[in-house]
Amino acid sequence: AQSVAQPEDQVNVAEGNPLTVKCTYSVSGNPYLFWYVQYPNRGLQFLLKYITGDNLVKGSYGFEAEFNKSQTSFHLKKPSALVSDSALYFCAVRGGGYSTLTFGKGTMLLVSP
Amino acid sequence: DVKVTQSSRYLVKRTGEKVFLECVQDMDHENMFWYRQDPGLGLRLIYFSYDVKMKEKGDIPEGYSVSREKKERFSLILESASTNQTSMYLCASRLPGQGYNEQFFGPGTRLTVL
Repeated sequence: AQSVAQPEDQVNVAEGNPLTVKCTYSVSGNPYLFWYVQYPNRGLQFLLKYITGDNLVKGSYGFEAEFNKSQTSFHLKKPSALVSDSALYFCAVRGGGYSTLTFGKGTMLLVSP
Repeated sequence: DVKVTQSSRYLVKRTGEKVFLECVQDMDHENMFWYRQDPGLGLRLIYFSYDVKMKEKGDIPEGYSVSREKKERFSLILESASTNQTSMYLCASRLPGQGYNEQFFGPGTRLTVL
């Protein structure tokens, strides 16, 4: 089975501070990892993905994520948070033997002015 | 830009009604997906389709069926709606490949079953 854990239901950060949204995964074989963002009353938007290669992946809106194979993690990061980053963030994984994505439960990011 | 549209943003139905949720994508994607999103549960896959006339069960197919008569359209059907099917339903499409292509999502349909 493949699974994703987002251990924090909510992350609070002040504008201008760095942010991290955590994600750990469990798959057999090499993982494909994704981050999506959902703004209020909207569908999900793709942010970035890790397929292979460089462990640091850069994506949309200044976000990046670091793949750590030994810790089976794929944390989402941004050096300086904006109020407009406030949204629901989902991590997703696809591993060997699976043709579909498994999503985490989501983490609400709240950036205060 | 890829556009995935869903027929309704909000829908209210009664228990026992047959409900159709329509999804259309305009980028000629072979793969299409239906998810439901519930607070604290994230997204769960209901059904998916890798091509016209093809369908596969996802993690929670009970109480649902799907139809894919044309490549651009993927319909989710609730045969007899129940209150526990009150949820946000999200459709997505994707180019085929080795599973590393990202999915593009529609805006969602918030269904309430009374």
